[in-house]
Amino acid sequence: GQNIDQPTEMTATEGAIVQINCTYQTSGFNGLFWYQQHAGEAPTFLSYNVLDGLEEKGRFSSFLSRSKGYSYLLLKELQMKDSASYLCAASDSNYQLIWGAGTKLIIKP
Amino acid sequence: GAVVSQHPSWVICKSGTSVKIECRSLDFQATTMFWYRQFPKQSLMLMATSNEGSKATYEQGVEKDKFLINHASLTLSTLTVTSAHPEDSSFYICSVRVGQIETQYFGPGTRLLVL
Repeated sequence: GQNIDQPTEMTATEGAIVQINCTYQTSGFNGLFWYQQHAGEAPTFLSYNVLDGLEEKGRFSSFLSRSKGYSYLLLKELQMKDSASYLCAASDSNYQLIWGAGTKLIIKP
Repeated sequence: GAVVSQHPSWVICKSGTSVKIECRSLDFQATTMFWYRQFPKQSLMLMATSNEGSKATYEQGVEKDKFLINHASLTLSTLTVTSAHPEDSSFYICSVRVGQIETQYFGPGTRLLVL
């Protein structure tokens, strides 16, 4: 079957670095997406990886290892506004997104 | 990316009434749109894939006669919740799929409360 696993909740301190992990199993693979969702709002697109390696975009970076079925989202210089849920989603052979349950990130001052 | 709007953003209705939610792609012609539902503290659940000019494809367990989807143009898809009941209260979000990597961009969502 198809499955995405990510931690339910993480806590970090303002100004620090946090890494949110995601493992996936899909029928075929056409890339891995990360979305940010603030409470009460719709998800917004953060990043996409389809090749192995690290993609850096400002304070946020995303990593993919296709052989391990593993990705992580790295957030640097954490700000209070980064408190949100982070959703991992893998695109399968039909370009359908398989969604993780999301990781709620709590930032403490 | 793509700019997606939804209307209304909030709906409160009585049990048994029908509610129509509109999803508009403002700057992109979308042959495919997606409808999701999200209950509090839960993940997104895909309800159906809306295809312009043809019938929607519903996910397993989603009643197509209860959740009517119409995708009459490349910029508009509507979801009608027929005979809504309190258990239909949820956050309904649409998305469009854009570009070579087929990134999904979401509307702001519609919060439905059925009394």
